[in-house]
Amino acid sequence: GAGVSQSPSNKVTEKGKDVELRCDPISGHTALYWYRQRLGQGLEFLIYFQGNSAPDKSGLPSDRFSAERTGESVSTLTIQRTQQEDSAVYLCASSPPYKGQFFGPGTRLTVL
Amino acid sequence: SQKIEQNSEALNIQEGKTATLTCNYTNYSPAYLQWYRQDPGRGPVFLLLIRENEKEKRKERLKVTFDTTLKQSLFHITASQPADSATYLCALGTGGGNKLTFGTGTQLKVEL
Repeated sequence: GAGVSQSPSNKVTEKGKDVELRCDPISGHTALYWYRQRLGQGLEFLIYFQGNSAPDKSGLPSDRFSAERTGESVSTLTIQRTQQEDSAVYLCASSPPYKGQFFGPGTRLTVL
Repeated sequence: SQKIEQNSEALNIQEGKTATLTCNYTNYSPAYLQWYRQDPGRGPVFLLLIRENEKEKRKERLKVTFDTTLKQSLFHITASQPADSATYLCALGTGGGNKLTFGTGTQLKVEL
């Protein structure tokens, strides 16, 4: 595709439920990143993939958060047992090595 | 502790003037620094990347400087237009694989 796509664009869930967020990066981009942005705040790094492996998971806030990438393409961010503090926009980005990152439109997650 | 500081107050300038935004950092040694633009409800858009051995980079009406002694980057928009109104984020390359740490951004408003 022409850019990074994310789905769903909006997700409303109940506290305690699991959610899966999907990212389709730009074809050929080896690096993929997940960020979280709370309302009115900056971007918070979660995890980065090089190919299908994740050399840096240092930003994942708890063991309820996990992510995987397959085929050096699609990535899924999973949040288990969601809490209200997980409510945020989750942004995915992809890039070629040491270039600017291209961001998707984000998934707005609301946990009731 | 590590910090990336951008002016949290909105910058209001008149159309046609030059806007200058500041990014200061402490306790980082970034190999490069990037600037992004973010509009409400959208993901950030990459603007410019400058490496530690570069003093200045230009792209059309945009200019970025990078002073590793002062630990500061300045972002200039010349001949500013109302369409330049947005939040501008600086990001430091702080790890392997183009991992970025973002500042909280400065909101720019260009008035007629």
